[in-house]
Amino acid sequence: SQTIHQWPATLVQPVGSPLSLECTVEGTSNPNLYWYRQAAGRGLQLLFYSVGIGQISSEVPQNLSASRPQDRQFILSSKKLLLSDSGFYLCAWDTGGTEAFFGQGTRLTVV
Amino acid sequence: GQQLNQSPQSMFIQEGEDVSMNCTSSSIFNTWLWYKQDPGEGPVLLIALYKAGELTSNGRLTAQFGITRKDSFLNISASIPSDVGIYFCAGQSSHNDMRFGAGTRLTVKP
Repeated sequence: SQTIHQWPATLVQPVGSPLSLECTVEGTSNPNLYWYRQAAGRGLQLLFYSVGIGQISSEVPQNLSASRPQDRQFILSSKKLLLSDSGFYLCAWDTGGTEAFFGQGTRLTVV
Repeated sequence: GQQLNQSPQSMFIQEGEDVSMNCTSSSIFNTWLWYKQDPGEGPVLLIALYKAGELTSNGRLTAQFGITRKDSFLNISASIPSDVGIYFCAGQSSHNDMRFGAGTRLTVKP
């Protein structure tokens, strides 16, 4: 069966520090991968999606970047965090035309 | 990108009442999905709809894919306390990316 792993679960980082959140999927090949951000009490904002290795589409210009070094690995990064980067980050996958499955999320607090 | 308008933003209901929420879009989607998110967790899929006009039930939940492919609704019958959470609609276009509504926060009073 397919599973998705996202880590860390919680993270507190100072302003200006780098960020790396990792997401891996097991049990499927060539998934579409997504990073979403959910600000407190708000909906899900699509940040990046990827349909294959090295293929990244960015939805919102911002302080973050994403990379897909392997088929089932998706990384969200920042060189210098801002206070406004705080939020709940969710990784998700699907195989195109089907429902998406989400990781447990990472709660990032930038202080 | 496509925008989804989900309403209401929040609902406060009594246990046993029925609930209805909906999503509309200015664009056509090929798939409509409804998710529920518990605090501190990722969203979990409740119902997936793949054809215009499709009406699907999952226990006390019923959802429909609008004929125009630009809207969907979710009904919850006889609500119980564990229905509390945030409900999201999502639409998937032919571009293989998924767009979410802003969510409906449901509170159920015992």
